[in-house]
Order: sequence, then structure tokens, then C-alpha cells
Amino acid sequence: AQSVTQPDIHITVSEGASLELRCNYSYGATPYLFWYVQSPGQGLQLLLKYFSGDTLVQGIKGFEAEFKRSQSSFNLRKPSVHWSDAAEYFCAVSQYGNKLVFGAGTILRVKS
Amino acid sequence: GAVVSQHPSWVICKSGTSVKIECRSLDFQATTMFWYRQFPKQSLMLMATSNEGSKATYEQGVEKDKFLINHASLTLSTLTVTSAHPEDSSFYICSASTLAHQETQYFGPGTRLLVL
Repeated sequence: AQSVTQPDIHITVSEGASLELRCNYSYGATPYLFWYVQSPGQGLQLLLKYFSGDTLVQGIKGFEAEFKRSQSSFNLRKPSVHWSDAAEYFCAVSQYGNKLVFGAGTILRVKS
Repeated sequence: GAVVSQHPSWVICKSGTSVKIECRSLDFQATTMFWYRQFPKQSLMLMATSNEGSKATYEQGVEKDKFLINHASLTLSTLTVTSAHPEDSSFYICSASTLAHQETQYFGPGTRLLVL
């Protein structure tokens, strides 16, 4: 069965600092990989996705993620965090057209 | 593009009553819609998947008679929580995907249900 691990429940970074959120998945083949962001009381917004091709994926709001097959990882990065980036971030995997399996989420706090 | 709305955004009801939540794709045709449930400080758990014109497929442990899902058109799916009880209080989120891009789900803003 597919599973997604986000090892960090909470992360606090200073505004302007770089950010990396970790995501590891367990799946037999290369799955479809996603990062979503959720602000309090809101739905999920798609930040970026990876299906194939270039392993470095650019998303919205200045985020990027890198797929590393050898490590079964899909970590999310941002070079300079803004206070408005404070939210909860979910990594998810799926087979094509099938259900998404989400990680437990990582809550990002940004300190000024 | 790819906007999904939900109505209502929050609802409070008495125990034993039924509540209907609507999920609409505003600018695209959603061949598949998904319903998730999220408890406080937890991740999303898929409840069911529905294809337009077909019966929903429920995940293991989800009572299909309690959570009625209808996907009657390509832009509307409804989730009805029947005979709601306090333990049904949760945040319900829908998502939708298209036939051309089944790999990507677009999420609604969620509906918070509180059963008293």
C-alpha cells in the first residue's frame, strides 16, 4: 500500500530564511507526487506536482520540489520564506486517476 | 481556472437531523469528485469517490448509508450526512478532477459541520 511520511510535524523558520519540508513515500512504482498548502479553516491549494520528466519542479508562490527516486523523496523548498507562507503543508501521492494518499502534514510557523 | 466551491461553508445542526453539503466545479466539468474528512490537527482521509452518473465508491470503514453521495451532473456532487451525531462533527472537503487530467485534484474550501 502507498504511504507518505512527513517526518516534521512543526517547523519554525525566520522570515527571509530558506525552507525545506521533507516528504518520503512508499510505493512500488513512481507515483504522481503533489504538494498542497492549507491555511487555517480553508481547503487545499495545489502548490506543485510531479509526474515525470525534469525532477526539479517549479510551483506557485516561489516553491519548488525535487523528486529523488533513490531516496523515495519529494522535498519542498523555498529560498526565502515570507510571513504569509505560514500554513500547513501536505505531501500526497497517487496512481493516475486514483485516490490521493496524504502525509500527516507539516505546520510551518514563520517568525519575524 | 479549476475552481471548486462548497456550500455551506459551515453548518450547525441538532443530533439526529440530516445535513446536505454541496460541491460544485465552477469552471470545468468534473468527471470525478472526491469527499474527504479532516479531524482537527489531522490529515485528510478519503471517504468516497464518485463518478458522474455512477454510484459512489466508499472507502473501507465509511458507512454508505450514513454518508450519502450523489454526483448527478458534471458540476455538482452532494454529500448528505444522515442522522448526524456529535461524532460526525468534522471538516468535510471535496475535490474534483477532469477526464483529461484525472491525475490532479482541485479542492474546495471545505465545510465545517458541528453537530450538537
